[in-house]
Amino acid sequence: GQQLNQSPQSMFIQEGEDVSMNCTSSSIFNTWLWYKQDPGEGPVLLIALYKAGELTSNGRLTAQFGITRKDSFLNISASIPSDVGIYFCAGLPLRGAQKLVFGQGTRLTINP
Amino acid sequence: EAQVTQNPRYLITVTGKKLTVTCSQNMNHEYMSWYRQDPGLGLRQIYYSMNVEVTDKGDVPEGYKVSRKEKRNFPLILESPSPNQTSLYFCASSFLATNEQFFGPGTRLTVL
Repeated sequence: GQQLNQSPQSMFIQEGEDVSMNCTSSSIFNTWLWYKQDPGEGPVLLIALYKAGELTSNGRLTAQFGITRKDSFLNISASIPSDVGIYFCAGLPLRGAQKLVFGQGTRLTINP
Repeated sequence: EAQVTQNPRYLITVTGKKLTVTCSQNMNHEYMSWYRQDPGLGLRQIYYSMNVEVTDKGDVPEGYKVSRKEKRNFPLILESPSPNQTSLYFCASSFLATNEQFFGPGTRLTVL
């Protein structure tokens, strides 16, 4: 089946640093979603993107829908301890097709 | 509060003993789905439903059954659980128009 390549797999940063992660695909996606999962909890939707080139912010988080429609990026500015968790990208390859494809996740660890 | 609920949150059972994990959402979502999450394998879709009485297989449906008799409920049934079904299970729901899936808190299942 279709796969998303998410990188990096893990990040170890200092509090206050900015974070960047991305997802790429070999095929075109019409929707990109970014989720965060805290330990023992379900993924929580952070940002949804629907148009190529779209740049959307949610507080210190900013995500972009790549122009090629084959990638998406998530940036976190001025990281804080509660940003710790696993971040997943997810994409829908066809509008109307309800089968989300997930990336493998980026585990973010922050040293205070 | 808009939410997806799952029960039980934790379950330890033995091989072959039928079990049901319930999922309910109060957002009037048409779409519901079940995923399992395993280390190194990410989130994999088991079954999904696009509306009442409409269900379809995801990527890993073997050993599972679902039903969608009511819009708000989407139970996951394991007729004869086996140890390889030990996993963390998530239910999710969304409107068909937005594809933004909301996840439940998860059910951690151990099959001995």
